Amino acid sequence: NAGVTQTPKFQVLKTGQSMTLQCAQDMNHEYMSWYRQDPGMGLRLIHYSVGAGITDQGEVPNGYNVSRSTTEDFPLRLLSAAPSQTSVYFCASSYRSGGADTQYFGPGTRLTVL
Amino acid sequence: AQSVSQHNHHVILSEAASLELGCNYSYGGTVNLFWYVQYPGQHLQLLLKYFSGDPLVKGIKGFEAEFIKSKFSFNLRKPSVQWSDTAEYFCAVINTGTASKLTFGTGTRLQVTL
Repeated sequence: NAGVTQTPKFQVLKTGQSMTLQCAQDMNHEYMSWYRQDPGMGLRLIHYSVGAGITDQGEVPNGYNVSRSTTEDFPLRLLSAAPSQTSVYFCASSYRSGGADTQYFGPGTRLTVL
Repeated sequence: AQSVSQHNHHVILSEAASLELGCNYSYGGTVNLFWYVQYPGQHLQLLLKYFSGDPLVKGIKGFEAEFIKSKFSFNLRKPSVQWSDTAEYFCAVINTGTASKLTFGTGTRLQVTL
């Protein structure tokens, strides 16, 4: 199993540009989530999904959209990038919903917005 | 709102020194507790977890943690650290009795010197 994969690993955007961060898992996990990691702030939940077709907001959802058309994929879209979105983004999945189970993390995407 | 506190932000130890990293959470009820580790340049991975039973749990690489319900704490310990333990450590908690989501602490950066 590849586990959780993320692309790209690095990305530089200009303010106002849009892009999609890809996340896929091959463990048939129902629960998937996106976090951002900022120095001194730990990991903060952006959006999550409890299954295909079901998504919800986390702690810091503004400026981000998600969709979950399949169990495997959970892309994160930045519609109009802002410097405040410079961060490292991690996708995670788990068997059970709500984060009550072990989270499996992807390798992360380091995003810089100029 | 639930919160997770890691009071040690940066810890520097010499090899063979003993380690204890603090983790406190702010809410009652039934909780699942986790410690995740992020080695330099790598993604987060599970170190150990507590769901129920013996409050002293053992994880990988000689780490252990003790759940003290009366103190709302889940401190991470290792009797003798190695240079390879240099990493960032995150405590995470979820209240399984509510619809709350997994909450991470801000992390503790451990630097082990030779």
